[in-house]
Amino acid sequence: DTEVTQTPKHLVMGMTNKKSLKCEQHMGHRAMYWYKQKAKKPPELMFVYSYEKLSINESVPSRFSPECPNSSLLNLHLHALQPEDSALYLCASSQDTGAEAFFGQGTRLTVV
Amino acid sequence: AQTVTQSQPEMSVQEAETVTLSCTYDTSESDYYLFWYKQPPSRQMILVIRQEAYKQQNATENRFSVNFQKAAKSFSLKISDSQLGDAAMYFCAYRRRWGSSNTGKLIFGQGTTLQVKP
Repeated sequence: DTEVTQTPKHLVMGMTNKKSLKCEQHMGHRAMYWYKQKAKKPPELMFVYSYEKLSINESVPSRFSPECPNSSLLNLHLHALQPEDSALYLCASSQDTGAEAFFGQGTRLTVV
Repeated sequence: AQTVTQSQPEMSVQEAETVTLSCTYDTSESDYYLFWYKQPPSRQMILVIRQEAYKQQNATENRFSVNFQKAAKSFSLKISDSQLGDAAMYFCAYRRRWGSSNTGKLIFGQGTTLQVKP
């Protein structure tokens, strides 16, 4: 099973809303990632969790708040987003930070 | 800093024919991974093939193969017997293998959109 599951698949939220994106994997991977992808552009790394600890924050604004409750789950909490935050948000996992990453299908986020 | 360059924004190929996508990269590291990912309109990034820099032998996965030229820092993807389902955006990516700052960060190229004509 090489599946990374993301929910929801689509999300529309207002600039004053609070919402969360969820990511789950059951491959025993110990590294998990959030990427942001704009149309026709490559993904941009946002956060890396290694062994449930945040190891990298790529200078992401505080309106994005990651959380790793356990080794299988990764959340991204969203608050007071801007329209320019509209994008595809991809979650990925890998056995460790040196192995290949497997991606979920992403959440298409629209901020209105 | 490491960089990855894909110089072909778009490519097209006739069904059943062969196409090669180009990728060059720049790094001062000697040990790293290179990957090709495929992203169809369904959005999911799918790993196509990977290459470890210490291995001289080019990786192959069914109809997909790479030409890895370490000295030239080149990593092209060849797709043989192209199928309609191969139509997608293809990203070349780099990841360092070891080191205290090995965060697992994938560095992507800008992508190549492949069209397959029936």
